[in-house]
Amino acid sequence: AQKITQTQPGMFVQEKEAVTLDCTYDTSDQSYGLFWYKQPSSGEMIFLIYQGSYDEQNATEGRYSLNFQKARKSANLVISASQLGDSAMYFCAMRDNFNKFYFGSGTKLNVKP
Amino acid sequence: GAVVSQHPSWVICKSGTSVKIECRSLDFQATTMFWYRQFPKQSLMLMATSNEGSKATYEQGVEKDKFLINHASLTLSTLTVTSAHPEDSSFYICSARWRDRSEAFFGQGTRLTVV
Repeated sequence: AQKITQTQPGMFVQEKEAVTLDCTYDTSDQSYGLFWYKQPSSGEMIFLIYQGSYDEQNATEGRYSLNFQKARKSANLVISASQLGDSAMYFCAMRDNFNKFYFGSGTKLNVKP
Repeated sequence: GAVVSQHPSWVICKSGTSVKIECRSLDFQATTMFWYRQFPKQSLMLMATSNEGSKATYEQGVEKDKFLINHASLTLSTLTVTSAHPEDSSFYICSARWRDRSEAFFGQGTRLTVV
């Protein structure tokens, strides 16, 4: 069974600083995908970044980067230069061999001015 | 990014009635669509997966007869909550992906309240 663990229910960060949101996963699949989504209070899920299990380089998308450590089965999200609009729930997700997506419990990020 | 439209965004219905939620991929053909349920301040729980041309596959513990999923075309999937009860009140969200893309794109979600 696939399992995604996010151990930080809530995080605070000062505006303009960087923050790391933790995510670990457990799977026996050889091929899988790792994702981060942002969910504002309005409820929609916004795709942020993707990392394939065979990708050797860490994924980056603007201010978002994914710190992928395959041996440790971790896929932490790093947000640089935090903005007030970054305040939201963040979900780590994994797509397995059957193309199903599994989500972690989420981390609520609050950016302080 | 690709656009997935979910309708309605919220609905209130009486106990015992059925409610249909639509999920459309507007600018791509979705080979796979997913339906999730999310309780307040909790994660998304996968309910079912429907692939192009085949019946939906339900996750363990999800009642097939209660949550009817129809992947009518490559751009439309519907979730019908039959004989709704107050415990079915929740946030339902769909997502869709196509073969050539890694990520799934989500609809805006539907907040269902059964009174």
